[in-house]
Amino acid sequence: GAGVSQSPSNKVTEKGKDVELRCDPISGHTALYWYRQSLGQGLEFLIYFQGNSAPDKSGLPSDRFSAERTGGSVSTLTIQRTQQEDSAVYLCASSLAIPGSDEQFFGPGTRLTVL
Amino acid sequence: SQQGEEDPQALSIQEGENATMNCSYKTSINNLQWYRQNSGRGLVHLILIRSNEREKHSGRLRVTLDTSKKSSSLLITASRAADTASYFCATGGSQGNLIFGKGTKLSVKP
Repeated sequence: GAGVSQSPSNKVTEKGKDVELRCDPISGHTALYWYRQSLGQGLEFLIYFQGNSAPDKSGLPSDRFSAERTGGSVSTLTIQRTQQEDSAVYLCASSLAIPGSDEQFFGPGTRLTVL
Repeated sequence: SQQGEEDPQALSIQEGENATMNCSYKTSINNLQWYRQNSGRGLVHLILIRSNEREKHSGRLRVTLDTSKKSSSLLITASRAADTASYFCATGGSQGNLIFGKGTKLSVKP
């Protein structure tokens, strides 16, 4: 079956513009995660969805970041008024979210460059 | 915030040699996972070791876990050029998310 897909794979934008990143999780995976990876760094957790609900949004870096998930499937991460420090690879992962099954399946990421 | 650190940050070896990477973490865990990342893009799950396990094997991979020292190691035996990648350990966060270290960049020279 298909893995996690993300689009676009690369996005170059100008400072101040809004961007929308998309994630299609593996079918049937109820849990969905967004992470951010800056150059040469580890992954920073941003937000988690169980179904369509995100119980805790405190991991989002600022109020310019928002995320939603509809139909328990596709998720979008929106960054408003982008800044140069938003440049990073944004990774989405999904999992079954059942006890004993902790493996997360990652998409290829979206590389965001803010000029 | 990051749970722990991998050591070394970078490792360069010849094909056929073994590669050992270490990971330390700070809080109690249910399990610890190792992931591999090629070219700064998507991560691939390698192996999961539970807190009540001390050692686990998968092909050329061997993972150990010492909960008393809050550390884990990943050994890749008989390395190949295709093993060149960054390797991350990860533990569980409060929301089921993974908390990653900064990774070890492994370079295997043919």
